[in-house]
Amino acid sequence: QKEVEQDPGPLSVPEGAIVSLNCTYSNSAFQYFMWYRQYSRKGPELLMYTYSSGNKEDGRFTAQVDKSSKYISLFIRDSQPSDSATYLCAMRGDTDKLIFGTGTRLQVFP
Amino acid sequence: GAVVSQHPSRVICKSGTSVKIECRSLDFQATTMFWYRQFPKQSLMLMATSNEGSKATYEQGVEKDKFLINHASLTLSTLTVTSAHPEDSSFYICSASSQGNSPLHFGNGTRLTVT
Repeated sequence: QKEVEQDPGPLSVPEGAIVSLNCTYSNSAFQYFMWYRQYSRKGPELLMYTYSSGNKEDGRFTAQVDKSSKYISLFIRDSQPSDSATYLCAMRGDTDKLIFGTGTRLQVFP
Repeated sequence: GAVVSQHPSRVICKSGTSVKIECRSLDFQATTMFWYRQFPKQSLMLMATSNEGSKATYEQGVEKDKFLINHASLTLSTLTVTSAHPEDSSFYICSASSQGNSPLHFGNGTRLTVT
C-alpha cells in the first residue's frame, strides 16, 4: 500500500462546477498537508498549506484535513478552464521529506 | 515571496556528456533544497536532499556518482547529470523552503533530453 493514495483521474467537469479532489494516507505521523497545481511542463505551484486537521479557505479554493480518517480534500468552486491542470496532494511529518500523491488530472471544459 | 528559479528550462545533450542544472532561491535562504525527477504522467520522485555545506543525502536507488549535487551557498544548489544516457531523459525539478515548517516551493523544472 502506498503511503499516499490519489485517484489519477482524469476528471472532466463543465465550467462553473464545484470540483472535489481527495487523497488518503496511511501514516498517522503526517502533520503538514499541501496541495499543488502543476501545469504541463511546469513545476508544481503551491495552492494550499495546512497544519493538522481543519479547513482553510483561499478564494475559490478550500482545503480540508480530517486526520482521524486520514483523508484530505481540495474543493474548487466556480471552476474555470484555466484550472485545468494536474493537482498533487503532498504531506509530511516532522522531517523535511515530502510524500506526494500521484496527482489528479483535471479538465474544465467551457 | 518564496521564489525558486531553475535554469536551464530545457536542455538537449548527446549521450556521454554531462549537464549541470542550477536551482536558486531568489528571495530567501535555503539550508536545504530537494531534487526531484518526474516521468510523464507520473508524480514527483525524490532523488536527493541537498544540504548547504555538507554532502547530499540520496534516496535509495539513486546513483550518487551519476547525479552530483553541490549546495555551495544558501541560495544555490546544482545537480550535474554525469555521462548522461537516453534513459536519463526526464523532467528534473528542484524545491526549497525558507524555514523548517514552511511549505516547499518548486522551480519550473528542467526538461533533459539525451540523444
